Amino acid sequence: LAKITQPISMDSYEGQEVNITCSHNNIATNDYITWYQQFPSQGPRFIIQGYKTKVTNEVASLFIPADRKSSTLSLPRVSLSDTAVYYCLVGDGGNYQLIWGAGTKLIIKP
Amino acid sequence: GAVVSQHPSWVICKSGTSVKIECRSLDFQATTMFWYRQFPKQSLMLMATSNEGSKATYEQGVEKDKFLINHASLTLSTLTVTSAHPEDSSFYICSARDTAGGNEKLFFGSGTQLSVL
Repeated sequence: LAKITQPISMDSYEGQEVNITCSHNNIATNDYITWYQQFPSQGPRFIIQGYKTKVTNEVASLFIPADRKSSTLSLPRVSLSDTAVYYCLVGDGGNYQLIWGAGTKLIIKP
Repeated sequence: GAVVSQHPSWVICKSGTSVKIECRSLDFQATTMFWYRQFPKQSLMLMATSNEGSKATYEQGVEKDKFLINHASLTLSTLTVTSAHPEDSSFYICSARDTAGGNEKLFFGSGTQLSVL
């Protein structure tokens, strides 16, 4: 099973681009990489999912190198409301064994 | 994205009573739903996998007689905390698996804060 490592916390400022990297050295062939955002006392919210290379949607980009042993969530021009915990998940699409990272607490300052 | 509704969002109960939490997928069918427990400042801990029409699969250390799961339809799973005690106080979250489009994604309910007095 993949072991997930991500920074415990990060700080940034409004308007900056924030990159959060997740390490998943033992990722399996069938595994997708998914990122979720969680605010206090709320359920996680899906941000983005990818398998390889680069994926972009309206809120974020996800960069996955060729070896897939890491991934980077990129949040463009963050605002105060982006202060949250961000979880990296690696999932086996077959048996759906989901491995959660411990989460990165992102604090955005004015 | 897909919507998962979880109810209630907050419940206080007396020790020894049972509490039922509902999880509904509103705009998609979910053959598989998951139940999690989360303590403050910690990651989600998977409790059990709920499969429509069959018995739930519980993670190691989770008492199946304590946490009853029913997944009677493709849009509804329930978690019943039986004979609740203060140590059961926690934030419970459900998720449903959406396989539309080929990639599997999880969508989460808003969570239920359970406080047992």
